[in-house]
Amino acid sequence: GAVVSQHPSWVICKSGTSVKIECRSLDFQATTMFWYRQFPKQSLMLMATSNEGSKATYEQGVEKDKFLINHASLTLSTLTVTSAHPEDSSFYICSARDSPDNEQFFGPGTRLTVL
Amino acid sequence: GDSVTQMEGPVTLSEEAFLTINCTYTATGYPSLFWYVQYPGEGLQLLLKATKADDKGSNKGFEATYRKETTSFHLEKGSVQVSDSAVYFCALRVRGGSYIPTFGRGTSLIVHP
Repeated sequence: GAVVSQHPSWVICKSGTSVKIECRSLDFQATTMFWYRQFPKQSLMLMATSNEGSKATYEQGVEKDKFLINHASLTLSTLTVTSAHPEDSSFYICSARDSPDNEQFFGPGTRLTVL
Repeated sequence: GDSVTQMEGPVTLSEEAFLTINCTYTATGYPSLFWYVQYPGEGLQLLLKATKADDKGSNKGFEATYRKETTSFHLEKGSVQVSDSAVYFCALRVRGGSYIPTFGRGTSLIVHP
């Protein structure tokens, strides 16, 4: 199957700083990318959907000014957690697909810990 | 709306035991059904899928049959291994609209030697 990578795989930062997470599709063009958040022992919560070259569509309750998503190319999307706080600590997973009919492929996730 | 209900875990089994993880769904349209597996500290991997009624998805010894009459897609494996310890997510996706999957809450499987 297709490969989606995330970088970094884990990050520790101080409260108040911003953190950027990258999601790349390595062998296909991802017209749509998704960002999920996963709390311990819970399911995935869809945060936002982004189409290449367009503004991201955020799910209800997700602060768009706090979680900045950029999908500037067909192989790269970034999630920036601005002014991070300990409650933002979580496992963030991206996924990507090339067309609505096709499967979504998931990245390995990024563990964010805010001290 | 669309939803997926999975049995609560954790499911704890001894190696070589038979596994069943129940999954039922409600959908506004005709869904495709999926099982994903998440190993500790990793993202999700597609385990198997079925796109129409009575289809059986299978992979790595796991199987699930799309039962439209009971709106179910139960995951089974005849003989589990320690390496199968993971969280398993049932999901559906309905054609049309955003094509975004709806996930169940996940079921943790722990297999002891």
